[in-house]
Amino acid sequence: EVSLAQSGGGLVKPGGSLRLSCVMSGYTFSYVWMSWVRQAPGKGLEWVGRIKSLSDGGTVDYAAPVQGRFTISRDDSNDTLFLQMNNMKIEDTGVYYCRSGIDYWGQGSLVTVSA
Amino acid sequence: SYELTQPPSVSVSPRQTARITCSGDALPKNFAYWYQQKSGQAPVLVIYEDNKRASGIPERFSGSSSGTMATLTITGAQVEDEADYYCYSTDPSGNQYVFGPGTKVTVL
Repeated sequence: EVSLAQSGGGLVKPGGSLRLSCVMSGYTFSYVWMSWVRQAPGKGLEWVGRIKSLSDGGTVDYAAPVQGRFTISRDDSNDTLFLQMNNMKIEDTGVYYCRSGIDYWGQGSLVTVSA
Repeated sequence: SYELTQPPSVSVSPRQTARITCSGDALPKNFAYWYQQKSGQAPVLVIYEDNKRASGIPERFSGSSSGTMATLTITGAQVEDEADYYCYSTDPSGNQYVFGPGTKVTVL
């Protein structure tokens, strides 16, 4: 059974940084394209970005609102996906989910950006 | 930027059929996916590649796509199907992904 365990959420001030992690078990992590999806309080789902498997080039694409501020990376030796968030804004507040392929989701990490 | 359009809400009586639509200019070229999200929970994949039912999803859920519109159908809706449903697809470039705004399904 595939499982994604997230860590790293919390409270950060505007302009600050935070890093989320997502550890995969139950499948070969290196094969999988991974994504981050977020959800602002009371709002819908928003795609944040995606990293391809290294065998498919490891390309990363980002949604426009986070381009240049967020960085997605992966450590295949430790089955871990990362989301580095810099220069954070109040509108980055929400629950962040990692997702493997299209089907398995992490439990979500609450990120609050507030002064 | 690319957008998908969904109705904000759909109401259905138990055991009746609910249809949720999703419109997007790139849908003739790209697959649609459907997620169900219940309050306080992570989303669950319901339909992938337009019309394939995900593992463990009841047969009453089905998907279709024609032209610029994809449709999720719940045939014989149950009270436990009350949730938000999101369509998901790729923009024309194939490098950006987007969720529709979500449709709240009420079964009463």
